[in-house]
Amino acid sequence: KAGVTQTPRYLIKTRGQQVTLSCSPISGHRSVSWYQQTPGQGLQFLFEYFSETQRNKGNFPGRFSGRQFSNSRSEMNVSTLELGDSALYLCASSYDRLRDRGHGYTFGSGTRLTVV
Amino acid sequence: AQSVTQLDSHVSVSEGTPVLLRCNYSSSYSPSLFWYVQHPNKGLQLLLKYTSAATLVKGINGFEAEFKKSETSFHLTKPSAHMSDAAEYFCVVSWRYYGGSQGNLIFGKGTKLSVKP
Repeated sequence: KAGVTQTPRYLIKTRGQQVTLSCSPISGHRSVSWYQQTPGQGLQFLFEYFSETQRNKGNFPGRFSGRQFSNSRSEMNVSTLELGDSALYLCASSYDRLRDRGHGYTFGSGTRLTVV
Repeated sequence: AQSVTQLDSHVSVSEGTPVLLRCNYSSSYSPSLFWYVQHPNKGLQLLLKYTSAATLVKGINGFEAEFKKSETSFHLTKPSAHMSDAAEYFCVVSWRYYGGSQGNLIFGKGTKLSVKP
């Protein structure tokens, strides 16, 4: 089956702009989580969606937002970009965290965002 | 609180020699534990998982890990390193309840494995 698809793979934006990243989970998976990965901070949790509802949110400013559609595809948006937002953004999908406990999450290849 | 500590930020081995990547965890509940590998500019790939069944877990590419509850450890090993094993490895604890601002997965800081010819 197809894996987790993230688009675009690479993105260059200027400060102050906004950006939207997309994640298509594995077919049948209803939970999508987003992570930011930087060399200094490692992997940091952004948010988790399940059946179009945000279940958890990490400690990021309100400039970071997301949503999930009825087909489980998810988007995250970052407004008013800052240089520090440059990172690899990873999306992970699972069927359902509670039922799927222990089965692991499947990660996409990520979107590399560079803010200049 | 749940946490994961990877004891080495960088491990260097020669090709053909054993690999040991160390991981300790802290969890109030029986955890699910994972090792993921990340090659440069790639996503995370699941190597293996522990889910309260056998304590010795075998994964892909010849890796295995042993869950030791008394030591709260989940070290990753491989008998013989290959050049293609050079990557970053993450030890992860899965939190079955709503993880709040930490999310569902608690990541270690990662261990970068270098393999010398």
